[in-house]
Amino acid sequence: QQQVKQSPQSLIVQKGGISIINCAYENTAFDYFPWYQQFPGKGPALLIAIRPDVSEKKEGRFTISFNKSAKQFSLHIMDSQPGDSATYFCAASFTYNTDKLIFGTGTRLQVFP
Amino acid sequence: EAGVAQSPRYKIIEKRQSVAFWCNPISGHATLYWYQQILGQGPKLLIQFQNNGVVDDSQLPKDRFSAERLKGVDSTLKIQPAKLEDSAVYLCASSLAGEQFFGPGTRLTVL
Repeated sequence: QQQVKQSPQSLIVQKGGISIINCAYENTAFDYFPWYQQFPGKGPALLIAIRPDVSEKKEGRFTISFNKSAKQFSLHIMDSQPGDSATYFCAASFTYNTDKLIFGTGTRLQVFP
Repeated sequence: EAGVAQSPRYKIIEKRQSVAFWCNPISGHATLYWYQQILGQGPKLLIQFQNNGVVDDSQLPKDRFSAERLKGVDSTLKIQPAKLEDSAVYLCASSLAGEQFFGPGTRLTVL
């Protein structure tokens, strides 16, 4: 019940295309859903996050779509660029312990020119 | 501001040996975390400190792993004795209120 399932495992996108990564969860006590971006040799860095009181959040080319009834959320990267090539992790945390992040398994994104 | 510092960046040891990792969080960050990231998986929280006290160590294999944060600043994570399955990247993160900032990690290979 504490798992966050992420797909796909890897994704290859042409420059300018849309990258879509999906995550699903079971535990309705999750209250905070961040996405992290990790480049090789670096630690994860917070990219964008959403709480379940909104269905969508957009920051530049990055958008989170949230479907509370389906217990799913996704990251959309518009106009994907080679510099977006990285591993992306979704995560979730509980209302009563927002510090405890449960990470998905990660998606390796490669954007080709 | 300087980020989370970790050392060493890489470590190769044989099984049954011991190893220690060091983390220096962002100045002023009261909360410090240690994560284990196995290849192909997301980070898994091992232990969380608030200042120099342990908040959550429920997923720390206490028979072989130990961690301390003396004086509420730097922290060390130790593995003794190491097993093959401990091969992973060990990430340290810190936070003041909310967002966690991760260090570059220490890649451990156990042969």
